[in-house]
Amino acid sequence: QVQLQEAGPGLVKPSETLSLTCTVSGGSVSSVSYFWTWIRQPPGKGLEWIGYIFNNGNHNYNPSLKSRVTISVDTSKNQLSLNLTSVTAADTAIYYCARVRVTRDFDYWGQGTLVAVSS
Amino acid sequence: QSVLTQPPSASGTPGQRVTISCSGSISNIGSNTANWYQQLPGTAPKLLIYSTNQRPSGVPARFSASKSGTSASLAIIGLQSEDEADYYCAAWDDSLNGPVFGGGTKLTVL
Repeated sequence: QVQLQEAGPGLVKPSETLSLTCTVSGGSVSSVSYFWTWIRQPPGKGLEWIGYIFNNGNHNYNPSLKSRVTISVDTSKNQLSLNLTSVTAADTAIYYCARVRVTRDFDYWGQGTLVAVSS
Repeated sequence: QSVLTQPPSASGTPGQRVTISCSGSISNIGSNTANWYQQLPGTAPKLLIYSTNQRPSGVPARFSASKSGTSASLAIIGLQSEDEADYYCAAWDDSLNGPVFGGGTKLTVL
């Protein structure tokens, strides 16, 4: 059974960098059959795609966040990471990592981690 | 504003049939399959329907979905109290080369 687990600070100050990791168990981030994505959900609101990454490091980011986002994979730790720079209160959200299938759907999700941006 | 348009709310009584619509454009639903996610309160979204009308293992047959042109719809037949949740449609967008979501529909079982 594939499991994903997000981790990182629950509080980040404005203008600083939000950094999260997602540890995958029961599967490998190196698999060529899947790729990996980050999605966020502001409290009480809908889902927003942040970006995705393949096992070879190729990636694509949401244009609305592209200038501030970096997603990477660490195959030795079976993890993916998210860095979001220059955060503001608008970046307060639950951040999810998920596995993407070739059918372009998300079949496994992490439980999500709430990150608040506040001084 | 979400790229895909869903009604913000829907409701029904136990046993009823409920449908939720999702409107997109040629670059997303019009060119690709639609997916649906169910989000129970306080939990992560769960894949409910993929490739427009396919149910993952474990999803009850009372959930079905279809697509026509640039719109998709989710139907729940024989509504149950445990179906009370938020439902999101999604599709790959060729212009974005990434997924887009609807704003979500909050389903209330009366």
